[in-house]
Amino acid sequence: AQRVTQPEKLLSVFKGAPVELKCNYSYSGSPELFWYVQYSRQRLQLLLRHISRESIKGFTADLNKGETSFHLKKPFAQEEDSAMYYCALIGFGANNLFFGTGTRLTVIP
Amino acid sequence: NAGVTQTPKFRVLKTGQSMTLLCAQDMNHEYMYWYRQDPGMGLRLIHYSVGEGTTAKGEVPDGYNVSRLKKQNFLLGLESAAPSQTSVYFCASSYPGQGGEQYFGPGTRLTVT
Repeated sequence: AQRVTQPEKLLSVFKGAPVELKCNYSYSGSPELFWYVQYSRQRLQLLLRHISRESIKGFTADLNKGETSFHLKKPFAQEEDSAMYYCALIGFGANNLFFGTGTRLTVIP
Repeated sequence: NAGVTQTPKFRVLKTGQSMTLLCAQDMNHEYMYWYRQDPGMGLRLIHYSVGEGTTAKGEVPDGYNVSRLKKQNFLLGLESAAPSQTSVYFCASSYPGQGGEQYFGPGTRLTVT
């Protein structure tokens, strides 16, 4: 069975500080991992996917298959990064995502 | 291009009442999904559809029914609402084979008293 774990419900960092949102997963196969973000009063949207290996809004995430982790990182947090972040997994050939419970990030000015 | 829209935005029901939530998308997506979002629980999949006329159960389907009579619409029904169904409901859609890249609607906040 698949599972996505985000151990931190709340995370607060100061502006300019590094931020890391943790995500661990369990899946017996080769999953695809994603990070979704929900800003205040906006709809949930895709932030990045591990296959793309890209940086979006300064965020990066590396899939570590050995540690089954997909942590989201940004070297210098900005106030506009304050949002709810969800890590999600889709199995190979599957049609639907499994979401973690989310981490609410607050960047303190 | 409105993307994914949901009707209504808010609703208050009494226990035992029924209602239908409507999701519409104008992106010609084959796949559509219904989720519920609860504090501390994240998003949980209720039902989904991989094409017109098809539906499948997700993680938490009990108490809900769905229909996909038209490709652009996905309806979520509550036949007899219960307080445990108080939640925020999100609809999403995606292209086939790209189920990880979903486009979400703005949500419907439902309260059952």
